[in-house]
Amino acid sequence: EDQVTQSPEALRLQEGESSSLNCSYTVSGLRGLFWYRQDPGKGPEFLFTLYSAGEEKEKERLKATLTKKESFLHITAPKPEDSATYLCAVLRSNYQLIWGAGTKLIIKP
Amino acid sequence: GAGVSQTPSNKVTEKGKYVELRCDPISGHTALYWYRQSLGQGPEFLIYFQGTGAADDSGLPNDRFFAVRPEGSVSTLKIQRTERGDSAVYLCASSQQGGFGYTFGSGTRLTVV
Repeated sequence: EDQVTQSPEALRLQEGESSSLNCSYTVSGLRGLFWYRQDPGKGPEFLFTLYSAGEEKEKERLKATLTKKESFLHITAPKPEDSATYLCAVLRSNYQLIWGAGTKLIIKP
Repeated sequence: GAGVSQTPSNKVTEKGKYVELRCDPISGHTALYWYRQSLGQGPEFLIYFQGTGAADDSGLPNDRFFAVRPEGSVSTLKIQRTERGDSAVYLCASSQQGGFGYTFGSGTRLTVV
């Protein structure tokens, strides 16, 4: 069964403390992996798309990487405004997205 | 418009009633998606429109759920005989020609009491 699992469920960091969020997947016919950010009461906001193992994308303090089994979202020197839920989604061969449950990130000043 | 607009932002309805949720996508976006999100979960796919037609409605949970997009722009998600289990945030997203870097609206929070 196709599945996307994100860990940890929640992560509390001090401002400036770097860390990584994990998205592991079992999907047949992977066509892409997507990272989104979601703030409370808002819809998800697109961050990155990764298509093949070894690919990396960066945006400000965020860097996403992809292997054949998982993706990492690395956060370098985070700021309080990086606090949000980060969602991972995988595109299947039938072009449907399967979403993980998200990691709630809290950055304390 | 500048973003995806969803109305109403909140809807409380009694069990058994009919509701309509509206989505106004970004102008020029041909692809439109409806998702449902429960607390602490990722979005769950409901239906995908390419233009006026439903290209994939395999996510609709049962025949109480129906969606239309008659002119290829605004879409309405219709839920008949609502049940308490239908309570969730209903998200709409749009993209150009089926691309997956969607732009989401802020959602409609539906509460069935």
